[in-house]
Amino acid sequence: QQPVQSPQAVILREGEDAVINCSSSKALYSVHWYRQKHGEAPVFLMILLKGGEQKGHEKISASFNEKKQQSSLYLTASQLSYSGTYFCGTERAGGTSYGKLTFGQGTILTVHP
Amino acid sequence: GAGVSQTPSNKVTEKGKYVELRCDPISGHTALYWYRQSLGQGPEFLIYFQGTGAADDSGLPNDRFFAVRPEGSVSTLKIQRTERGDSAVYLCASSLRPDLSGANVLTFGAGSRLTVL
Repeated sequence: QQPVQSPQAVILREGEDAVINCSSSKALYSVHWYRQKHGEAPVFLMILLKGGEQKGHEKISASFNEKKQQSSLYLTASQLSYSGTYFCGTERAGGTSYGKLTFGQGTILTVHP
Repeated sequence: GAGVSQTPSNKVTEKGKYVELRCDPISGHTALYWYRQSLGQGPEFLIYFQGTGAADDSGLPNDRFFAVRPEGSVSTLKIQRTERGDSAVYLCASSLRPDLSGANVLTFGAGSRLTVL
């Protein structure tokens, strides 16, 4: 079952902050966050693992609530380059297919000058 | 190579034709994945290779879809008797460390856009 992302879209002015949420009904091993610009490859931002390990870009922060199976991506002091569609991808706990991600429907972020 | 390379970037074909899409993963990455992305949607898992073998093909929609990775590097996704509903962007990704004991980061290619007329 697909994770649910919210909001579906957000519009910011440069310098403003945003939070994107991802919620799953399944027990998760990890949550991955990607940003995709139109016609381009999804770009890795952050991975959060059950147990607290995180790996990602310095300027990106995120959280993973294992009890609620929810993750949030925090975008602070937004820049024009942050514009794009953000996807969370979830990896189920107890699975054996590594990297088999189920993606949410995406959150469209637009940053204006 | 430096990134995941996919060819062709665009493919237009007629209903009923056969199509091959190629993926060249990052050198040294043992795991390779195919995903499909329809307009306005997130990527959808199709198949995962560990080395030469398909470890999980549960996402392939039907037997018209097939993928190979004969030498554990380049992979080809093959679609027979294409249908209009197959139109989508087909994304390939690779990863270095496909195990659940750590962070398994997927690096995606830009995709092959398939249009079936």
